[in-house]
Amino acid sequence: EPEVTQTPSHQVTQMGQEVILRCVPISNHLYFYWYRQILGQKVEFLVSFYNNEISEKSEIFDDQFSVERPDGSNFTLKIRSTKLEDSAMYFCASRERGDGDTQYFGPGTRLTVL
Amino acid sequence: RKEVEQDPGPFNVPEGATVAFNCTYSNSASQSFFWYRQDCRKEPKLLMSVYSSGNEDGRFTAQLNRASQYISLLIRDSKLSDSATYLCVVNRGTGGFKTIFGAGTRLFVKA
Repeated sequence: EPEVTQTPSHQVTQMGQEVILRCVPISNHLYFYWYRQILGQKVEFLVSFYNNEISEKSEIFDDQFSVERPDGSNFTLKIRSTKLEDSAMYFCASRERGDGDTQYFGPGTRLTVL
Repeated sequence: RKEVEQDPGPFNVPEGATVAFNCTYSNSASQSFFWYRQDCRKEPKLLMSVYSSGNEDGRFTAQLNRASQYISLLIRDSKLSDSATYLCVVNRGTGGFKTIFGAGTRLFVKA
């Protein structure tokens, strides 16, 4: 069964450093998403991406964040200058098409900012 | 007010019990609705989509009331393996959508 994959599973970085989180969505999917979940808190929407541009973004997704689909398979989230409060689990998801179609989530990348 | 609100929980039930989860959403432009489950430190996984006509999948029944902006999930004959956090999820917007998660309700099923 096709699945969304994410790398790395755990990333540790120093405050102020740039990080890139990588995702490989399911191959025929057209919509891509990033979410974060701070430990013990709810899953929060960051951004949705379709047709090589951002469709929707939340208030969390400020200028420190960017997304890119550099080739036909990868979807990346970049955090330019990490803060302690960026420590969280980051989930990528993809969806085939349509309104009700399911989002499939990757296993997440745990980001720890020291 | 939170856009998606759920029972705070946790729910502690014996095996075989029936459990009901409730969820309300505040944005009337919301377009599609789901229940996900999340196991500890794992990704959310779709349990079922929710339709106005109601839908059932084995022991699970979901219902949507658009007029009341209310979503429910019923689990019958609960199993130990049902122990998880249940997430109410709402999509709004067009195209790529903005997906809003509720805070989740934790369920513990005990033998």
